[in-house]
Amino acid sequence: DTGVSQNPRHKITKRGQNVTFRCDPISEHNRLYWYRQTLGQGPEFLTYFQNEAQLEKSRLLSDRFSAERPKGSFSTLEIQRTEQGDSAMYLCASSPNTGELFFGEGSRLTVL
Amino acid sequence: AQKVTQAQTEISVVEKEDVTLDCVYETRDTTYYLFWYKQPPSGELVFLIRRNSFDEQNEISGRYSWNFQKSTSSFNFTITASQVVDSAVYFCALSEPDSNYQLIWGAGTKLIIKP
Repeated sequence: DTGVSQNPRHKITKRGQNVTFRCDPISEHNRLYWYRQTLGQGPEFLTYFQNEAQLEKSRLLSDRFSAERPKGSFSTLEIQRTEQGDSAMYLCASSPNTGELFFGEGSRLTVL
Repeated sequence: AQKVTQAQTEISVVEKEDVTLDCVYETRDTTYYLFWYKQPPSGELVFLIRRNSFDEQNEISGRYSWNFQKSTSSFNFTITASQVVDSAVYFCALSEPDSNYQLIWGAGTKLIIKP
């Protein structure tokens, strides 16, 4: 297993466009997390899945953000009508039931 | 409420010096986990260690060591004989089972190791 995989690694888009990021977790991990990180800050929690169920969403996750994890495997994070404030690194992590999170390399979004 | 404080925003040392990164946490739970992650310039977060609240033994892994003290709510990280490759941002984090292990992060400490 090669760890948590995220793509695309970089995305540049114009304001108002929709973007989608994909995360492939470590195969035996049932927990999957999305975080957002802006420059100079620690990651901020966005949402959490246990298998296919989305069990928690941060209030940071506005209506323009939606995340799915069909079949409890890979996950997608979609941002609709992007705004410049959405520019950040979007991090995915997976975890077995041990509380230990393994992160992917992240997907960097730049909204022009 | 849970909180993690890393008071050192940036530390700069010369290679081969020892350096300690401080982490202070707040939680009301008796069961919790503490973590350190490294984030090199490439951006990926690299897991370094997890410590549960019932295990106060210090841990050593090569040049890295961690000092967990519940009495002062601290979980400090020391790098011995630092190397240029240790340059990165280091994050301390806290999680609790009741919060689905959601990580509460410190603001990070940028460590610069000069050759």
